[in-house]
Order: sequence, then C-alpha cells, then structure tokens
Amino acid sequence: AQSVTQLDSHVSVSEGTPVLLRCNYSSSYSPSLFWYVQHPNKGLQLLLKYTSAATLVKGINGFEAEFKKSETSFHLTKPSAHMSDAAEYFCVVSEGGNNDMRFGAGTRLTVKP
Amino acid sequence: GAVVSQHPSWVICKSGTSVKIECRSLDFQATTMFWYRQFPKQSLMLMATSNEGSKATYEQGVEKDKFLINHASLTLSTLTVTSAHPEDSSFYICSARDSGILAGWGYNEQFFGPGTRLTVL
Repeated sequence: AQSVTQLDSHVSVSEGTPVLLRCNYSSSYSPSLFWYVQHPNKGLQLLLKYTSAATLVKGINGFEAEFKKSETSFHLTKPSAHMSDAAEYFCVVSEGGNNDMRFGAGTRLTVKP
Repeated sequence: GAVVSQHPSWVICKSGTSVKIECRSLDFQATTMFWYRQFPKQSLMLMATSNEGSKATYEQGVEKDKFLINHASLTLSTLTVTSAHPEDSSFYICSARDSGILAGWGYNEQFFGPGTRLTVL
C-alpha cells in the first residue's frame, strides 16, 4: 500500500527566503503525487501534481516540486516565501485504479516578516 | 475548474442526534466520491469510498453503521453521522473524482469540497 512521510511537522522561514517542504513516498506502483495547501478553517487547494510526465512540476503561486524516483522523494520548493504562504501543506500519494489518496501528516509553514 | 460543494459548512448538534452532510459535484459527474475526516491539527484520514448506485467501501476501523453514506446520483453523496457523540466532532471533507475527461489535469483527479465542521455538544 502507498504512503507518504512528511519529514518536518513545522517549517519556519522569513519572508523573501526560499521554502523547502520535504516529502518521501512509498509505493508499489508508479504513483501519482500531489501537494495540497490548506489555510486555517478552509478546504484543500491543489498546488501541483505529478503523474509520470515531466519530473519537475510547476504549480500555482510559484511553487514547484521534483519527482526523484531514486530517492522516493517529492519535495516542494518556492524561491521566495510570501506572508500569504503561511498554511498547512499536505503531500499526497495515489496509486492504482482505485485512485484513493493517502495524505501525509502535514507540514505547517510559518512565514516571519 | 471543477467545483465541489458541501452543505452545511458547519453544524452544531446535541449528543444523540443525527447529522447529514451533503457533497455535490457542481459541474461534473462523479461516479466515485470520497469522505475524509480531519481532527484538529492533524491530517486527513480516508473514511470511505462512495460509488454511485452501490454500497460504500469503508476503511478499517470506520463504523459503517455510524457513518452512513449514500451516493444516489452522479452529483450527490451524503454522509450521515448517526447518534452523534462529542468524539465525532471533527472536520469532514469530501472529494469527487471526475468520471469524464478534463483538459489539462486528466480524468482521474479528485476535487475537494470546502469541508464541514461538526461540533457535537
């Protein structure tokens, strides 16, 4: 069965500095991988997804992630953090025809002025 | 893009009562919908997979008699929390998988609703 591990429960950066949110996955098949963002008391917003096409995936709001099969990683990055990026981020893996999604524990991103 | 709505967005009820939460796909058909539960400051846990016209598939540890799921049409799934208790208080989120083909993301993407916050007193 598929699973994801988000390596940091909390990441704090200063505004204007780079963001790195780490995610490792486990999957028996070729997985689809996603990053979602959740602002307080809000639903989920898809940032980007990987589905066996280009390994470097660009998403919304300047985020991107690189699929590295050899490292079973799918880390999320952004060159310059903005205050509005402060939120909870979830790495998600999906495999197989059933398409059920397994969520990581989440990483809370704090952006300091 | 595809939109999924949930109703109500929040609900407060007394212990022992039942609460129904609706999940609708507004601009696409969804043969499959998913129900998730999220406790405060925790991740989403899949509760069940709802298939239109058939019985839902529940994840291990989820009481099917307590969390009743009905997926009677291609655009609507409902979750009923029966005889709710304070420990059922949580954020419930649904998602819907597009049965057709969308340009760009592809047919197998799930779209998430905004969630329903349930508080049981």
